[in-house]
Amino acid sequence: DTGVSQDPRHKITKRGQNVTFRCDPISEHNRLYWYRQTLGQGPEFLTYFQNEAQLEKSRLLSDRFSAERPKGSFSTLEIQRTEQGDSAMYLCASSSRGSAGETDTQYFGPGTRLTVL
Amino acid sequence: GDSVTQMEGPVTLSEEACLTINCTYTATGYPSLFWYVQYPGEGLQLLLKATKADDKGSNKGFEATYRKETTSFHLEKGSVQVSDSAVYFCALSDQGGSYIPTFGRGTSLIVHP
Repeated sequence: DTGVSQDPRHKITKRGQNVTFRCDPISEHNRLYWYRQTLGQGPEFLTYFQNEAQLEKSRLLSDRFSAERPKGSFSTLEIQRTEQGDSAMYLCASSSRGSAGETDTQYFGPGTRLTVL
Repeated sequence: GDSVTQMEGPVTLSEEACLTINCTYTATGYPSLFWYVQYPGEGLQLLLKATKADDKGSNKGFEATYRKETTSFHLEKGSVQVSDSAVYFCALSDQGGSYIPTFGRGTSLIVHP
């Protein structure tokens, strides 16, 4: 399977604990995106990388959230001092724009469902 | 800023009925338009896309036409199946910027046998 993978699929933690999620994009994709999705809503953009550079961060990304993509391949999203409001599905997507004029299309992983007790 | 508005669900249909899920958008540039589908407990899957005015995207019997004059990208299917039950998201992406898509809130489709 050469799609986007995420690990773990489910995470239950207690308030105040730190959690880390991993995303492995499609291998030839140079862009990687993180989103948060709550029940009944569409995905909300958190941050994105082009290769190893983090190019944009949403205002939703508080200072408790940090993301890395150290070698331009897989990425991690860490949430420190989790709060109940952090409970959501965290989605990763990757894309690669080829030649000029080609549409950038994102392919999503299955998501990590976080529950903060 | 860019925005996407979808019809509220749930949309409940009997098998073999016709489906239309409305989607309209507001964008400053010339976006690409997408429909994604999300099955329970899973991530989003790209269903179809269109990159310029009058383009028609199609996949698995679903179609949507990029209508610039009405800023719409309605999803249609002539005969739905129980397996089409899912949440459908309309999205746009400004291809001249950071490519970060803007999603609608999603429309839940429930198909009964």
